[in-house]
Amino acid sequence: GAGVSQSPSNKVTEKGKDVELRCDPISGHTALYWYRQRLGQGLEFLIYFQGNSAPDKSGLPSDRFSAERTGESVSTLTIQRTQQEDSAVYLCASSLGRYNEQFFGPGTRLTVL
Amino acid sequence: SQQGEEDPQALSIQEGENATMNCSYKTSINNLQWYRQNSGRGLVHLILIRSNEREKHSGRLRVTLDTSKKSSSLLITASRAADTASYFCATDAYSGNTPLVFGKGTRLSVIA
Repeated sequence: GAGVSQSPSNKVTEKGKDVELRCDPISGHTALYWYRQRLGQGLEFLIYFQGNSAPDKSGLPSDRFSAERTGESVSTLTIQRTQQEDSAVYLCASSLGRYNEQFFGPGTRLTVL
Repeated sequence: SQQGEEDPQALSIQEGENATMNCSYKTSINNLQWYRQNSGRGLVHLILIRSNEREKHSGRLRVTLDTSKKSSSLLITASRAADTASYFCATDAYSGNTPLVFGKGTRLSVIA
């Protein structure tokens, strides 16, 4: 595609429910990143995929968070048993490689009631 | 962990004035990047400066890098109302596997 796309653009869920967020990176980009951004704050790194290597999960805040990526294509971020503190914009980015500029999707705004 | 810290947190200027934002970081880097974010959604890459570069230009943007002081500055000349956004610096560690680490950003308001 022309850019990074994310779905849904907005998600409202009830506390305790599971949610799945999707990211479609730019074709050919081997690196894919997930970030979380709370209101008025900077970006918080969550997880990084590079090709077929084991992902860097060092930023995941708890075991309720997980992410998968099939090859160099779509990635899904799953949050289980959502909490109100999970409310944020979740941003996905992809790049040609780790040292290259990152192209961001428009984000998914998650609201946990 | 290393992190870029932008300064100031917020900046308000008149249209036509220059805006300067600073970024400091903690450890050696491969490169430093600046991004802009409008309306709290996706970020847009502005410019990348490598550790062996001291200055880089792109249109009305000028970025400097001082590795001895572990700092960078972003200058926007002849600002426009459309430049109103949050600006983030991001650093890539020289060693280790840490991907880009973003600072908390500078919120720039350009008043027409």
